[in-house]
Order: sequence, then structure tokens, then C-alpha cells
Amino acid sequence: EIVLTQSPGTLSLSPGERATLSCRASQSVGGSSLAWYQLKPGQAPRLLIYGASSRASGIPDRFSGTGSGTDFTLTISRLEPEDFAVYHCQQYDSSRTFGQGTKVEIK
Amino acid sequence: EVQLVESGGHLVQPGGSLRLSCVVSGFTFSSYNMNWVRQAPGKGPEWISYISRGGETTYYAEKVEGRFIISRDNAKNLLFLQMNSLRVDDTAVYYCARDFYQSVGSFDYWGQGTLVPVTA
Repeated sequence: EIVLTQSPGTLSLSPGERATLSCRASQSVGGSSLAWYQLKPGQAPRLLIYGASSRASGIPDRFSGTGSGTDFTLTISRLEPEDFAVYHCQQYDSSRTFGQGTKVEIK
Repeated sequence: EVQLVESGGHLVQPGGSLRLSCVVSGFTFSSYNMNWVRQAPGKGPEWISYISRGGETTYYAEKVEGRFIISRDNAKNLLFLQMNSLRVDDTAVYYCARDFYQSVGSFDYWGQGTLVPVTA
């Protein structure tokens, strides 16, 4: 099973700041088969990024994904109030597994 | 507008059974593979089951293999998860999620989830 480790656990930032979230895989994720999701309490999870770097439909361009192999990054260039949430990465190269999440909270 | 709405979650005792439903609208249900994903308190999401568009192919996570059964009714736009021999560690919010056809294995639409507490 591919284990995904996200860091940091919590990111305390102010609106307008840049957020950089890391997702490291225990083995190489083939085909850039990595996605990022935004989760908020009581809401449906939202697909942000698929294929490591492609934005899903309707996702603002302040969200970007990079990486390959075992190291992936989600960057939010300028945090908006609605971006404070928990973010999970997911690999779908070998079965489907998720990381434990990074909480982006208001400083 | 694509919508997925889960139902059927409620308190159940260990060893009990429960059937979850997910009704979908806003897209051609029979054209999409579907999944169930759960999230236990304080943990990351966990994929647990997949079913192909026609229902002929199913997959399960090892933790639920032999206890859970996924099925679908394409005529009624319904996805189901039959959960048997429930354990305390099955406690979670259960989501139905649509397979993203552009990047199979990721999930482009999810429901809001239904809570299943398993406790004595």
C-alpha cells in the first residue's frame, strides 16, 4: 500500500498569504496519479487538482499542483477567506489511498 | 447541477448491519463508475469500495472485503452499500463519490456524507 504523509499538520496563515502544502509518498506514484481535495465540515469534499498538476473544473487559478514520483506540492498563491479548510492528497496509481491532511487555519 | 445525497446512517451496535443509499441527479448515472469513501473521526479519508458503470465489476478495500457489498440500480439512480458484521472501527462519515472519467481513480463529485456510529 502506498502511504501518503502530509506536512505540516497545521498551517497558520493570514488571508493574502501563500500556502505551501506537501505530500510525500512511501513509493513512487506512477503516471502522476495524484489528486488534492478540499474538505470543510458538513460539506461535500471538493476536487481541486488531478494528475498532480491539472486544475479541476471551476477551481480558481490561485490553486496549483506540482510534483512527481514521491514528492508533491499544493500551493495556494493568495489565501482567500473561503480557503481555510483541510486539504488531503490522494494517490490512485495503486489502489486508492489518502494522506492524513493539512489544516489551513486563520492566524 | 450534479448532486449526490447519501442516507441511511444511524447508530448501530457492533455485529449489526446497515444499508446506505446514495441518490444522484444532474448526470447520466449509468455512464459513471462509483465509489464509497469513508472518513473516521480525526483520520484521513479511506476508499472502501468501487463499482463499474453496469455493476458487473466491484472492488473492496481489504478492511471491508467479505463484510460490505456495493451495488447499484441504474434505473433509479441509486448506489448502495450493504454493511454487515459492523465493528467499532467502522465508525465514520460515509461518502459516495463519482469516478472522474478524465483521471480514473480520482473523484470529481462527492456527497455530503452520512454518519455511521458503531457503538454498544
